[in-house]
Amino acid sequence: AQSVTQPDIHITVSEGASLELRCNYSYGATPYLFWYVQSPGQGLQLLLKYFSGDTLVQGIKGFEAEFKRSQSSFNLRKPSVHWSDAAEYFCAVGSYNTDKLIFGTGTRLQVFP
Amino acid sequence: EADIYQTPRYLVIGTGKKITLECSQTMGHDKMYWYQQDPGMELHLIHYSYGVNSTEKGDLSSESTVSRIRTEHFPLTLESARPSHTSQYLCASTRGQGGNTEAFFGQGTRLTVV
Repeated sequence: AQSVTQPDIHITVSEGASLELRCNYSYGATPYLFWYVQSPGQGLQLLLKYFSGDTLVQGIKGFEAEFKRSQSSFNLRKPSVHWSDAAEYFCAVGSYNTDKLIFGTGTRLQVFP
Repeated sequence: EADIYQTPRYLVIGTGKKITLECSQTMGHDKMYWYQQDPGMELHLIHYSYGVNSTEKGDLSSESTVSRIRTEHFPLTLESARPSHTSQYLCASTRGQGGNTEAFFGQGTRLTVV
């Protein structure tokens, strides 16, 4: 069965620092991978997605993620965090034979000035 | 910007009341979903629909029910609300086939049952 693990429940960084949010998945075939962001009181917004091809994908708001099949990982990165990036971040996995997404537990990002 | 709307945004209601959470999308998507989200927890799929007159139970058992009479509308109903139903409910929709399509989410309904 598919599953997604986000090991970090809560991360705090200083504004301007680099960021990496971890995501590990479990799936037998090539997964479809997503990162979503949820601001307080809001729904989820897609940051980026990986289906195939280049394993480094670029998203909105300066985020990128790298698919590493050998590590079953899809970590989200940003070189310089802004205070407005404070939010909850969810990794999700889908597959070609299902219309359902499996979400991780989320990582709450706090940004200090 | 996603064209999927949920009402109400916030609802506080007494135990035993019947409630309906509304979800509408104007994108013509066939597939719609309801997720339940508790603080610090992942999103759990409770209902989904592949189109009009199609509804399925999700991975997490829920006492709620859904209907899909029109493509754009996917309401969720609780016949008798209980404090254990307190949670955030997120509606989403997708187009196309398979899991490689973006899901668009509404802003959610935060339900509190007292």
